[in-house]
Amino acid sequence: EDQVTQSPEALRLQEGESSSLNCSYTVSGLRGLFWYRQDPGKGPEFLFTLYSAGEEKEKERLKATLTKKESFLHITAPKPEDSATYLCAVFTGGGSNYKLTFGKGTLLTVNP
Amino acid sequence: DTEVTQTPKHLVMGMTNKKSLKCEQHMGHRAMYWYKQKAKKPPELMFVYSYEKLSINESVPSRFSPECPNSSLLNLHLHALQPEDSALYLCASSQSGGPGELFFGEGSRLTVL
Repeated sequence: EDQVTQSPEALRLQEGESSSLNCSYTVSGLRGLFWYRQDPGKGPEFLFTLYSAGEEKEKERLKATLTKKESFLHITAPKPEDSATYLCAVFTGGGSNYKLTFGKGTLLTVNP
Repeated sequence: DTEVTQTPKHLVMGMTNKKSLKCEQHMGHRAMYWYKQKAKKPPELMFVYSYEKLSINESVPSRFSPECPNSSLLNLHLHALQPEDSALYLCASSQSGGPGELFFGEGSRLTVL
């Protein structure tokens, strides 16, 4: 069974204090890994797609990386507006049988 | 602003009511999805419409029924719901049903009394 584990469950940072969120996965046939940001009561907002080990993507203060077993979301000099739940999801399968499995998320709080 | 529009944003209904959630996407995508999300949990897939073919998560009870009038619209009909069905219902779309980014709407918050 495909498994996606995110750590830590919650992370509290001071403004400007850089850190990383982890998404480890045990799946068969990874077709892609996605990172989303979700604000309370809202739908997830797409951030990045990573398809192969060694790939990196950047957007403002965020950088996502991928290895064969895990992905990291690095947050550099975070601001309070970066506070949200960050979800990782893996896409597996093939043909007409694709599946998207979400992790439980990391709740990030950035204090001013 | 999201290009997946969900209405209503909030819905309160009794257990004997019939209501519908509506979703429209403006990106020309060929796959649309309904997800259910409980507080502090990840989204759970309910239905997928991809190239006019419906796929169902078998754990979803029959009191939920999807309808896809055309490739840009996806409705979720609700009938005889239970209080445990209260959740955030998320619609999403993707370019195809294969591996690719899903774009979510802002959600419809459903409360069943």
